[in-house]
Amino acid sequence: GAGVSQSPRYKVAKRGQDVALRCDPISGHVSLFWYQQALGQGPEFLTYFQNEAQLDKSGLPSDRFFAERPEGSVSTLKIQRTQQEDSAVYLCASSLGFEQFFGPGTRLTVL
Amino acid sequence: AQSVTQLDSQVPVFEEAPVELRCNYSSSVSVYLFWYVQYPNQGLQLLLKYLSGSTLVESINGFEAEFNKSQTSFHLRKPSVHISDTAEYFCAVSAPISGGSYIPTFGRGTSLIVHP
Repeated sequence: GAGVSQSPRYKVAKRGQDVALRCDPISGHVSLFWYQQALGQGPEFLTYFQNEAQLDKSGLPSDRFFAERPEGSVSTLKIQRTQQEDSAVYLCASSLGFEQFFGPGTRLTVL
Repeated sequence: AQSVTQLDSQVPVFEEAPVELRCNYSSSVSVYLFWYVQYPNQGLQLLLKYLSGSTLVESINGFEAEFNKSQTSFHLRKPSVHISDTAEYFCAVSAPISGGSYIPTFGRGTSLIVHP
């Protein structure tokens, strides 16, 4: 398809497990963004890439969160030693110029 | 730093009635303003945006929003809603960042529920 895709769509993890969430941006989009959306809240910015360079990671809530985009295309958000407060929908967006196009999100539930 | 307040968490309305979803923001710098819509089981979509120029902006499906600098508001309106407008609506504010993009700060969202 032509849109942003994310996988898995749903992930259930036991507390303490590591998880990896994947984002496939629209082909050719230079910028890629990750957001966290807790239940009943708006999305909150986590981190931002331009090509393979991570330009802003000020929104990552702890050092358990790590994002990468090694070839400037697909990105992975990794959460180590998951905690219950990590339960949320994780959104990815990509852009070529101004407008950001969002994927459907990955719903992470930590038990 | 910026912040966004959406006072109404839920707005029920009958089909063909007018609706207004309220949004107020705070920022110490000039900002961009946005409304996003999230239909059930779909990703966020940009509905309309204010960057500069005319303070009244419109979307292709009949929504409009007016930037009011003195009241720091960017309320979303539609004169006659349809069942298909049922969705979650997010107001967002952003200052520009390098590369020509933006990092939005979102409000908590307003659930628009259109009844037949």
